[in-house]
Parts: sequence; C-alpha cells; structure tokens
Amino acid sequence: AQKITQTQPGMFVQEKEAVTLDCTYDTSDPSYGLFWYKQPSSGEMIFLIYQGSYDQQNATEGRYSLNFQKARKSANLVISASQLGDSAMYFCAMRGRGGATNKLIFGTGTLLAVQP
Amino acid sequence: DTGVSQNPRHKITKRGQNVTFRCDPISEHNRLYWYRQTLGQGPEFLTYFQNEAQLEKSRLLSDRFSAERPKGSFSTLEIQRTEQGDSAMYLCASSLRVGTDQETQYFGPGTRLLVL
Repeated sequence: AQKITQTQPGMFVQEKEAVTLDCTYDTSDPSYGLFWYKQPSSGEMIFLIYQGSYDQQNATEGRYSLNFQKARKSANLVISASQLGDSAMYFCAMRGRGGATNKLIFGTGTLLAVQP
Repeated sequence: DTGVSQNPRHKITKRGQNVTFRCDPISEHNRLYWYRQTLGQGPEFLTYFQNEAQLEKSRLLSDRFSAERPKGSFSTLEIQRTEQGDSAMYLCASSLRVGTDQETQYFGPGTRLLVL
C-alpha cells in the first residue's frame, strides 16, 4: 500500500530565510509521481511542484525546490526566501501507476508559519 | 482560463437531510475527482470520473454517497441522510489525462459541510 508521512505538524521560519518541509513515502510501484500542494486558510489546494520517480534532476519551480532522495524514499520541499504569504498548510502527495488508480495519497500536512 | 469551481462554498444542514454539491472542472479536463478532508488530515480520495464514466470509488464512499458526471462536464456529489460524521471539507479536482505520473490535479476551493 502507498503511504505518505509528514512528521512535522508545524514549523516556524523567519521571513527571508529558507525552510525545509519533510516528506517520506512508501510504495512498491516502480514508477510514481510526487506532488506538493499548499493550502491557505481559505481551503483551496494549490499545486506547487512535481517530481517524477525517474527524473534525474531535482524539480525546481521558482522559490520551491524538491530535494528528492529516491533511495531514502524522501521528497522534501525547500522554500527559499520565505515570505509572509507562504504561511499555510503544506501537503505532500503521491500518485502511483498501480492498477487503474489515479488518486493522490496525501500526508497529514505541515503547518508553516512565517514570522516577520 | 478559469479554475475549478465548487458550489456552495459552505453548507450547514441538520442530521438526516440530503445535500448536493456541484463541481465545475477546468473546461478541457476530462478527469474529475472528489476528495474529503477532515480537520487535521490530508484529503482522502472518494471517487473519480473519466469523462462521464465513474472509474473508481473508495470504500469511504458509503451507499449514502452518490456522485455523477452525466455529460462529462460538471459533477455532483450527493449525501443522503447526512450524519454528523459527514462534516468535512469536500474538495473537487480535475486533470487532463496525459497517461503519465506527471498528470497534475488542480483543486477547487472546496465545500465546507457542517452537519448539526
């Protein structure tokens, strides 16, 4: 069975500093995709970044980058130069190719608070 | 390009009543998903459609829940005989089938249900 684990319920970071949000995963699929979403207090899930299991390079998208360590089954999100607007819940998710499923499996999330 | 929209945004109902939620996906997306999110948890998959066909349902989707996507465009999620345990955020997402793990689901703002 696929599983996503986010061990940090909450984190503080100073504005303009970098922060790493941890995500580990478990799957037996040889091919899978990893996603990070941001959920502000308004509730909408905002797609941030994607990493494919066969991608040779770590994904980057503006201030977001993904530290992908396949052997350790981790896909940590790095946010550089934090901004006050980054305060939100962050969810790691996985989509596998097992069977016909297209569903995303989510972790429990990390609440990030950016302090001025 | 408009995003995924959901209506209503909030719904308060009494136990035992029926409720119906609507989701309008991104116009060219042929896949549509429903998730449920309870407080402190990540979203959990309920069901998904490819065009008008419902291809997968979670065990979470009891017989009181029914989802439809009659013309392959908007979808409705109905909960009959609501229970207090149905109180949650109901999220809709859509994607364009690309046949790889990179297929990205884009979420709507959600419908927050409170059953009294």
